[in-house]
Amino acid sequence: ETGVTQTPRHLVMGMTNKKSLKCEQHLGHNAMYWYKQSAKKPLELMFVYNFKEQTENNSVPSRFSPECPNSSHLFLHLHTLQPEDSALYLCASKLNTEAFFGQGTRLTVV
Amino acid sequence: RKEVEQDPGPFNVPEGATVAFNCTYSNSASQSFFWYRQDCRKEPKLLMSVYSSGNEDGRFTAQLNRASQYISLLIRDSKLSDSATYLCVVDSGGYQKVTFGTGTKLQVIP
Repeated sequence: ETGVTQTPRHLVMGMTNKKSLKCEQHLGHNAMYWYKQSAKKPLELMFVYNFKEQTENNSVPSRFSPECPNSSHLFLHLHTLQPEDSALYLCASKLNTEAFFGQGTRLTVV
Repeated sequence: RKEVEQDPGPFNVPEGATVAFNCTYSNSASQSFFWYRQDCRKEPKLLMSVYSSGNEDGRFTAQLNRASQYISLLIRDSKLSDSATYLCVVDSGGYQKVTFGTGTKLQVIP
């Protein structure tokens, strides 16, 4: 266990649904990240939050909406997704050194 | 030029072999460097940090060459359990952007 917890671990949603992914860490880290990893593809950085402020949006479509209410929690709100959005969504956090990852949410859009 | 580049492999090596991976990075101001390991359908996990002086952890040795802007990972006496994707990670500091390479897939065969 890295101390970064993601829920749910698995999610199946229809293209008209709205759902949210949650990431939580109580490690005192100030930076939190969302990554997307599609099948057999490398990690793609989606968003970076530093001290609750979004510092990077890597040209992510607006159907993905992040929220960082405090330094310990990070959400990814999903709506009107497409089948190609099916992937492993990974949250990570860090302070000064290495990044710690949650176990990910495996999302399937049907 | 990509920020972090790795040979995707796959590297197929017999048990007991020595294998080396290289990774190049483009930002000369990068501050911290890591190797992560990712097993199939799992989250990336820190394998080791990389220092200018080099560091060794059992069968694994990591090196950093700042002048040439590359890092390397050497695995001696490969085990079947070493089969995974090895991710090169570069931390450029600032707002703590962390950039992952595409990963190098290693398959150790009996």
